[in-house]
Amino acid sequence: DTAVSQTPKYLVTQMGNDKSIKCEQNLGHDTMYWYKQDSKKFLKIMFSYNNKELIINETVPNRFSPKSPDKAHLNLHINSLELGDSAVYFCASSPSWAYEQYFGPGTRLTVT
Amino acid sequence: AQKVTQAQTEISVVEKEDVTLDCVYETRDTTYYLFWYKQPPSGELVFLIRRNSFDEQNEISGRYSWNFQKSTSSFNFTITASQVVDSAVYFCALSEADKLSFGAGTTVTVRA
Repeated sequence: DTAVSQTPKYLVTQMGNDKSIKCEQNLGHDTMYWYKQDSKKFLKIMFSYNNKELIINETVPNRFSPKSPDKAHLNLHINSLELGDSAVYFCASSPSWAYEQYFGPGTRLTVT
Repeated sequence: AQKVTQAQTEISVVEKEDVTLDCVYETRDTTYYLFWYKQPPSGELVFLIRRNSFDEQNEISGRYSWNFQKSTSSFNFTITASQVVDSAVYFCALSEADKLSFGAGTTVTVRA
């Protein structure tokens, strides 16, 4: 049983398109996160949700919109994709901010 | 300002050597948590250890050990008798009441 799953694993698309990445966790955690990892491996938090409520919203273009239909799911929708959006996106979950995070396998997004 | 500093970008050692990864953090909170994560070449992010700000005891787990010193705001990680499988990017992270900061990561390469 995969604890934190993301789909798709790979996503190749053209500039200007809109795409979504889905994330699900079966750990019963209250908090979920989205991270962007660039080509230099720098890991930057984008959003954090606690029980479907937005907690952390870092400086991210408003083309990125997270949606949490329930506490087990946190999806990421990206509008008008740009070349600079190419990265690996990780979803993660934890019981709360005080605990370790469990990461999904990552989604490699390539924008051409 | 960088809240978590991992000054070493890359470290290369020969198998069986010890390697210490430095992590210096910055916070004004009295309650916070520190973490180390490992990202092997396969790409997944794996949790290694969690420490709360009130527990300065050092910890050892197999070949891994951690030295937490509040006086110097450091949370260093040592791999003893390194092995090729230890080759990975290692991230130090700080969590303070819904604020999360990751260091830039240290790439460790262990050569046979």
